[in-house]
Amino acid sequence: DTGVSQDPRHKITKRGQNVTFRCDPISEHNRLYWYRQTLGQGPEFLTYFQNEAQLEKSRLLSDRFSAERPKGSFSTLEIQRTEQGDSAMYLCASSGAGKEAFFGQGTRLTVV
Amino acid sequence: QKEVEQNSGPLSVPEGAIASLNCTYSDRGSQSFFWYRQYSGKSPELIMSIYSNGDKEDGRFTAQLNKASQYVSLLIRDSQPSDSATYLCAVNPGNMLTFGGGTRLMVKP
Repeated sequence: DTGVSQDPRHKITKRGQNVTFRCDPISEHNRLYWYRQTLGQGPEFLTYFQNEAQLEKSRLLSDRFSAERPKGSFSTLEIQRTEQGDSAMYLCASSGAGKEAFFGQGTRLTVV
Repeated sequence: QKEVEQNSGPLSVPEGAIASLNCTYSDRGSQSFFWYRQYSGKSPELIMSIYSNGDKEDGRFTAQLNKASQYVSLLIRDSQPSDSATYLCAVNPGNMLTFGGGTRLMVKP
């Protein structure tokens, strides 16, 4: 394994449905981040884990969003009752002892 | 005021020229600075990191940091059409990266 892996790569869902995304970080990395990016904008921070502990969460993050990182390995991001405004690229990144963060391929969500 | 500001562009340069991309940030406590390249429809790719004032060179790329002026820049020498992408400046004032909106670079053959 040489990089951060995200699944699925694309997700189309109907408004009101729940969706869950998975992120597998680089194996030796203890920090994991979720970001959201819309067209023409930079990535927007959602939440941050160090090992299994969720240490920071964006004030902008709706209660419909929840993230977990059981056992400090992979992470999941769930969006409940999706809205059209949730359509975006969801990016996961990880970092280790160094400060450099590496991104996965992203999951593109379309809410119809 | 946004925490990390970049000119959205597009910045258009001819092939072989030097492209200069700039970024300013607001948090004086920031210690780590990064440049990411993002091709359309793809995820950001880390190309440079810089932590102390001055220049850091890696191949055709040079990152410049001036903490007193809260300014970071990226120079791309001998620009190639394959360098055409959006360049994201990221700053690490704490636990996470804060990104600018990105500058779109177009290198014309």
